[in-house]
Amino acid sequence: GEDVEQSLFLSVREGDSSVINCTYTDSSSTYLYWYKQEPGAGLQLLTYIFSNMDMKQDQRLTVLLNKKDKHLSLRIADTQTGDSAIYFCAETLQNQGGKLIFGQGTELSVKP
Amino acid sequence: NAGVTQTPKFRVLKTGQSMTLLCAQDMNHEYMYWYRQDPGMGLRLIHYSVGEGTTAKGEVPDGYNVSRLKKQNFLLGLESAAPSQTSVYFCASSLTRRDYGYTFGSGTRLTVV
Repeated sequence: GEDVEQSLFLSVREGDSSVINCTYTDSSSTYLYWYKQEPGAGLQLLTYIFSNMDMKQDQRLTVLLNKKDKHLSLRIADTQTGDSAIYFCAETLQNQGGKLIFGQGTELSVKP
Repeated sequence: NAGVTQTPKFRVLKTGQSMTLLCAQDMNHEYMYWYRQDPGMGLRLIHYSVGEGTTAKGEVPDGYNVSRLKKQNFLLGLESAAPSQTSVYFCASSLTRRDYGYTFGSGTRLTVV
């Protein structure tokens, strides 16, 4: 099936690292994405990784991709209260013209 | 620098009423999408369009219709609203199918009573 799986909740203390995990299904996905949704707002593209990469770092964000296990993770270093949001993992379905399929979203709660 | 604009932002409908949600983008994007977001279910694709005058069904198209008469606009219609259509609706657009992600609108919160 076409499922992208994420855990629903994560709670961390301010200053700690957060790791949000995702498993996907389409081994031919060329791009995998992380979106952030703040309360009452739409989704914003946070970062993405091309499938021929194992890791991508962008300031406090580190994306790790394990193609063998179809596992994607997002690490946020020095998590701040402003990072509290829902984070969505998404994959492109190559056999359906690059359509995006989203996970259920992980709600990150950052406590001071 | 508007991006993707959705109207209205909120709406309450009675069962059986009809309404149209409007999505407008000013980025000259070819592809446009309508998603619904429900708690614990992520985003599910309702309909999408790969260009002006085209539409296609997504995962959950039943009870909805769409039209793309102009490239910049993508309309989502509910002909006879049902409580199961209570949701937050998001429109998105992309330049190509393999774009670096989609641009999303801020959403329409629809309640059907």
